[in-house]
Amino acid sequence: NAGVTQTPKFQVLKTGQSMTLQCAQDMNHEYMSWYRQDPGMGLRLIHYSVGAGITDQGEVPNGYNVSRSTTEDFPLRLLSAAPSQTSVYFCASSPFVGEQYFGPGTRLTVT
Amino acid sequence: GENVEQHPSTLSVQEGDSAVIKCTYSDSASNYFPWYKQELGKRPQLIIDIRSNVGEKKDQRIAVTLNKTAKHFSLHITETQPEDSAVYFCAALHGSSNTGKLIFGQGTTLQVKP
Repeated sequence: NAGVTQTPKFQVLKTGQSMTLQCAQDMNHEYMSWYRQDPGMGLRLIHYSVGAGITDQGEVPNGYNVSRSTTEDFPLRLLSAAPSQTSVYFCASSPFVGEQYFGPGTRLTVT
Repeated sequence: GENVEQHPSTLSVQEGDSAVIKCTYSDSASNYFPWYKQELGKRPQLIIDIRSNVGEKKDQRIAVTLNKTAKHFSLHITETQPEDSAVYFCAALHGSSNTGKLIFGQGTTLQVKP
């Protein structure tokens, strides 16, 4: 099993551009989530999903959209990138809200 | 709203000493408390977790204690080794185990000096 995969690993965007961060898991987990990690701020929950077709907002959802059309995939969309969205983004999955299996992360820089 | 506070933000100990990291949470209904370790440039990984029906859990050199009344829990690492150097995150479950969400603390950077 590949576990949780994320693409791309690195990305540089200009302010106002949009993009999608991809996340996929092959463990048949129902629960998936997106976090951003900033120095001194810990891991902050952006959006999460408890199953295909169901998504909900986390602590910092503004500026991000998600969808969950399949169990395996949970893409995160940045609608209009801003410098404040410069961060490391982690996707995670789990069979329920227990042990989270994190992906390798995407380092995003917005100039 | 849900909130998890973690202290200290940085901790430096000598090899062989003990390290303690503390977290407080705001949601009295929280019943699951995991701890994650993140080595430099790596992804966070679960090292130990505790549920609210127990007060303490041990796994070799690491242990977690929970005080539900005071709404705080702590990570204890004994006989620290240089490979324990990492960022540690606590978290608390807000809501149910099927539909809730994990709220993380701000992280503690632990440095173990040889």
